[in-house]
Parts: sequence; C-alpha cells; structure tokens
Amino acid sequence: DAKTTQPNSMESNEEEPVHLPCNHSTISGTDYIHWYRQLPSQGPEYVIHGLTSNVNNRMASLAIAEDRKSSTLILHRATLRDAAVYYCIRRIYGGSQGNLIFGKGTKLSVKP
Amino acid sequence: SAVISQKPSRDICQRGTSLTIQCQVDSQVTMMFWYRQQPGQSLTLIATANQGSEATYESGFVIDKFPISRPNLTFSTLTVSNMSPEDSSIYLCSVDRTGDEQFFGPGTRLTVL
Repeated sequence: DAKTTQPNSMESNEEEPVHLPCNHSTISGTDYIHWYRQLPSQGPEYVIHGLTSNVNNRMASLAIAEDRKSSTLILHRATLRDAAVYYCIRRIYGGSQGNLIFGKGTKLSVKP
Repeated sequence: SAVISQKPSRDICQRGTSLTIQCQVDSQVTMMFWYRQQPGQSLTLIATANQGSEATYESGFVIDKFPISRPNLTFSTLTVSNMSPEDSSIYLCSVDRTGDEQFFGPGTRLTVL
C-alpha cells in the first residue's frame, strides 16, 4: 500500500509561511518522500524529496519526522503563484522502478 | 531539466474511435510514463514505457485499450482505443532522467462524446 494521507484543502495568506502535512505511517525504510505540485491546467512539477533528514531547496523545505511516519512541506513565504494541489508521494524503488503513486493531494489556496 | 511536448493539446472525439497522443522529449531518456487524470481527480499511472521493451501496464489498464509505442529514446505514443465517454480525461506523459524527479508534459485534454 503506497498511500499517503493529506488534508483535502488548506488556506494561507500571501507572504506567510505554509505547513502542509502528510502522513505515511506504513512507509518502509527505503521509500523516499517526494512532493509534487500541480498548478491549474498544468502537469505536475517536482518540489522536493527526502529520505530521513530535513531537506531544503529554492522552492521549499521538507521536514521528516524521526520515525518517518509523517512529513511536512514548508513554503516559507506563500505567493499567489503557490496556489496549487500539492501531492505527497511515497516513491517506491525496486520492481516498479520508482513509479510515482499519486494520492488525492492538498489543494492550497493563497489569499492576497 | 527536461522539456516535454505533447500533441494534440486537446481533442474532442466520437465514441468508438481511437486517438493517438504523442510525447516528445528534448533529450534521451530511458524511462517514460503515461498517466491519466480524470476530471477533478488525481493522477493514475497507466504504464511505464522503456525503449526496446514492451510497456508495463498497471492494474486496470490493458494493452488492447491503451497500446503504447516507444520507438526511440525521445519519443512515445499512447493510443486510446475504442473510446467511450468514460475515457474523457487529461493524459500526461512524464520522464525520469535523474532517478530523483520526474518531468511532466503539459497534458492532452480528451473529451469523448
């Protein structure tokens, strides 16, 4: 079971930080956590990924719980362009060669 | 990164017909994927297409309905055969170049009447 659990929707104000939670309680030791987002009328785009340690890049930060059963995507200053559906994905390597199994995602709304 | 184009960007088709969707990548890649996104839903993986081998289909998808070609390392096609209104979806291709991130095309919006 490659499912993750995310809230259906969240709201944020522009220029404020956003914390998007994800539960992946059945994760195995070799599964990576990937985050993608899908802006309206576009294909998904990669945001960030990690295994055990917290990760930072130019788009966001990823905080992974010590037991790896949950993680949080952090957008440090939300902009209107960040309004999108955010998908938290367990990436299972091996037989499926790293397929992405998308869940329902969290629809983020950003208010000016 | 990878630049991916899809043709057509959208189409309206009659039931019982077939549509072939093209996916072109700006560089050589081993692994290509085809996804379906039904209205208001998340993405569902249809199949993985590696050059030089048969496509691998996910549960619920069969080759007779969604034949895939992968003639070289920069191109793939997905055909939606004998279409019904339930096939109305956005079809997306993606590639994996680095093993870390996938790059997605803009999608093909298909409406079946």
